[in-house]
Amino acid sequence: EAGVTQFPSHSVIEKGQTVTLRCDPISGHDNLYWYRRVMGKEIKFLLHFVKESKQDESGMPNNRFLAERTGGTYSTLKVQPAELEDSGVYFCASSQNSRTGHGYTFGSGTRLTVV
Amino acid sequence: KNEVEQSPQNLTAQEGEFITINCSYSVGISALHWLQQHPGGGIVSLFMLSSGKKKHGRLIATINIQEKHSSLHITASHPRDSAVYICLLNRDDKIIFGKGTRLHILP
Repeated sequence: EAGVTQFPSHSVIEKGQTVTLRCDPISGHDNLYWYRRVMGKEIKFLLHFVKESKQDESGMPNNRFLAERTGGTYSTLKVQPAELEDSGVYFCASSQNSRTGHGYTFGSGTRLTVV
Repeated sequence: KNEVEQSPQNLTAQEGEFITINCSYSVGISALHWLQQHPGGGIVSLFMLSSGKKKHGRLIATINIQEKHSSLHITASHPRDSAVYICLLNRDDKIIFGKGTRLHILP
């Protein structure tokens, strides 16, 4: 079974540019989550999709971040325009059961560096 | 007060030592997970607990729902166990991450 795939694994962009991160969850997992760890801090929740709907986007830091999950399959997280403080590792996870998280699988993350 | 606290924040031990990492929380949960993150790497889910104890190889995880406390134990620790261990709580549909414990096992 393929795991959660994130692309790209690394991205270096200049401040003000746009970057789009992609997450392909495990097939059949309705729940998809985005998280990020900025330098020196703990992992923070960004948002949660159930199929194509945003169940909870309370963790999105500001309106420079836009997440989509068209058709309830893969998801994209766009940062536009990127700022220096957006640098960090962005993780995606998927699961079948959102209440217990049973079957959580995490992607390897995308390391974003904004210079 | 943070909803979840991990201790210790950092731990250095010699190869072979028995390791214990603790996670205490203050909210009702439906499940608790222990995750492992290797330097520069992704996150691996080690255990999901809603009660009792689970064992996988040299790793043991326990949870006491009444005391709102979980522990992750590593027996016969090895340098390859060096990683950040993270406690994650499921609370309704919300997810709360602990700050992680950075473990370094010396050969």
